[in-house]
Amino acid sequence: EDKVVQSPLSLVVHEGDTVTLNCSYEVTNFRSLLWYKQEKKAPTFLFMLTSSGIEKKSGRLSSILDKKELFSILNITATQTGDSAIYLCAVGYNNDMRFGAGTRLTVKP
Amino acid sequence: DGGITQSPKYLFRKEGQNVTLSCEQNLNHDAMYWYRQDPGQGLRLIYYSQIVNDFQKGDIAEGYSVSREKKESFPLTVTSAQKNPTAFYLCASSMAPVSSYNEQFFGPGTRLTVL
Repeated sequence: EDKVVQSPLSLVVHEGDTVTLNCSYEVTNFRSLLWYKQEKKAPTFLFMLTSSGIEKKSGRLSSILDKKELFSILNITATQTGDSAIYLCAVGYNNDMRFGAGTRLTVKP
Repeated sequence: DGGITQSPKYLFRKEGQNVTLSCEQNLNHDAMYWYRQDPGQGLRLIYYSQIVNDFQKGDIAEGYSVSREKKESFPLTVTSAQKNPTAFYLCASSMAPVSSYNEQFFGPGTRLTVL
């Protein structure tokens, strides 16, 4: 059965800490892996990864994909309270897309 | 401004009633989606549509119905057959065709509560 698993489900850190969020998957005909940030309502797009080993970076956020080991990580350095959100991983395969359960990140001042 | 809107923001329904959630986009996207989000679970696909007058069931279509008469609009009806309808509903759109390579743009969501 196709599945996307995110870990941890919940994480509490203090401002300035670095966090690593994980997304592993088992799907047939993998095509892409996407990261979204969901604060109060609508998820917003962060990254799309299709190739192994190529890091995508945006400010303090970065992500990389390992297609051999079937996972991706999302790193956030020097966390701020505004990073508090649910981070969703979605895997595209065939013409479907499956979301993980999300990681709820709380950044305390 | 281009975007995707959902209404209403909050919706209360009595058991046994059908209710329709609105989703409109002006991004000129051909593909539209409906997801349901429950606490501790990821987004689960209810229905999606690749083109006007065509739609496909997702993973949890039972108890829901949709229509796609216009490119901009993809309303979702939660019927009385849906056993546990209380949830947060998200609508999304993307460039066509439905593809694993297209990022989805999400609306602000509708929180449905069945009393």
